[in-house]
This record gives sequence, structure tokens and C-alpha cells, in this order.
Amino acid sequence: QQQVKQSPQSLIVQKGGISIINCAYENTAFDYFPWYQQFPGKGPALLIAIRPDVSEKKEGRFTISFNKSAKQFSLHIMDSQPGDSATYFCAASRDSGGYQKVTFGTGTKLQVIP
Amino acid sequence: DGGITQSPKYLFRKEGQNVTLSCEQNLNHDAMYWYRQDPGQGLRLIYYSQIVNDFQKGDIAEGYSVSREKKESFPLTVTSAQKNPTAFYLCASSIRGQVFTNYGYTFGSGTRLTVV
Repeated sequence: QQQVKQSPQSLIVQKGGISIINCAYENTAFDYFPWYQQFPGKGPALLIAIRPDVSEKKEGRFTISFNKSAKQFSLHIMDSQPGDSATYFCAASRDSGGYQKVTFGTGTKLQVIP
Repeated sequence: DGGITQSPKYLFRKEGQNVTLSCEQNLNHDAMYWYRQDPGQGLRLIYYSQIVNDFQKGDIAEGYSVSREKKESFPLTVTSAQKNPTAFYLCASSIRGQVFTNYGYTFGSGTRLTVV
């Protein structure tokens, strides 16, 4: 019940295309859904996040779509660029005795080809 | 610039040895975390600490130990009891109780540990 399932494991997209990464969760106690971007040899960095009372959040070329009834959320990268090539992790967090427990998906390795 | 510094970047451990990974932050964050990253398994929580002199086990604490004597520092020891220690280790910090804000976690650049 604590899992966050992420797909696909890897993704190749042409420059200018749309990259879509999907995540699903079971625990309805999750109340915050961030996405992290990780470049090789570096730590992840927060990219964008959403609360479950919002169905969509957009920041530049990055959009999170959230479907509370289906317990699914996805990251869309519009006009994908080679510089977007990285591993993306979805995550979900919930309060656990005053501590926000974060569960990460297994990651999607995105490659944007020219 | 504020951030998290992890050292060393690469570490080699012989069988039966204990090794300690360093994590220092100058963000004035109360909470600090250690994650282990393996290919295809995402990030798994080893230990976390919300305040100085207090820490809690995460999902995969067996074979690891930590200390939190200073707010800025949260070292992780990989003991000989950890049977499969080869992995990428990430330290993170956050404003206590505010992982759910736009701040999220701040991660270090990681330490890659290899058993030789």
C-alpha cells in the first residue's frame, strides 16, 4: 500500500515532442505528489509538485496532471529538449507522526534525441 | 551558496569493513535523511533525523547506523552487517515538517560505494 508505481522505465522522445511519465498509488493518505529530476552523478532536484485538491499544475514546459479518483498522476514535458535527458522520479508523501514520509517511484530514464 | 555536501564522491570498501559517509548541510534545515539508490528500485529510505540527537529507522536500516550530534551533520556508517552495500547513497535535508511545500527535499550529489 506504500508503493508508487511508475512507468515507463525508459523513454526515448524526439526533440520537440511530448514526454509523458505515469505514476499510480494505492494509499489515499498521500497528500503531496512531487516530481524530481536527476542528472547522471547528481542528486535529484525538485522539479514540480501538486496537492490532491488540484487536477493540473503547469510550470513552463512541465505539467502535472492528477486524477484523484483513479489514484494516478503524470508528468508531461512539452517541447522536449536534449537538456531534459535525465531520470525522473515521481513521489508521494503523507504525514507519519509529524514526519512527512516520502515514497519514491522507481524512476524513468528519459532520452531526448535531436 | 547553501547546499548539501557529501563526501567522498567515490568510496571502495573491503569485505568486513565499516565505512562512514559524510553529509554536511549549511541550509539551516532541521530534518536530514539518507537514501539508497539502486538501478530499477528508486530511492529507499535508510534513516532520517528531525532534530539533533534524534533519528529514526527508515525502510532498510539493517546494516547501517547514523548519528546526529550537530544540526549540520548526519554521517552514515555502512557496517559489515550490510550484506549488499554497493549502491549510490544520497543525503537530503528539508525544513522540518515541510517536505510538502515547494521546497521539498534538497539532495546532495551522492556517494557511490563499491565493495571490492
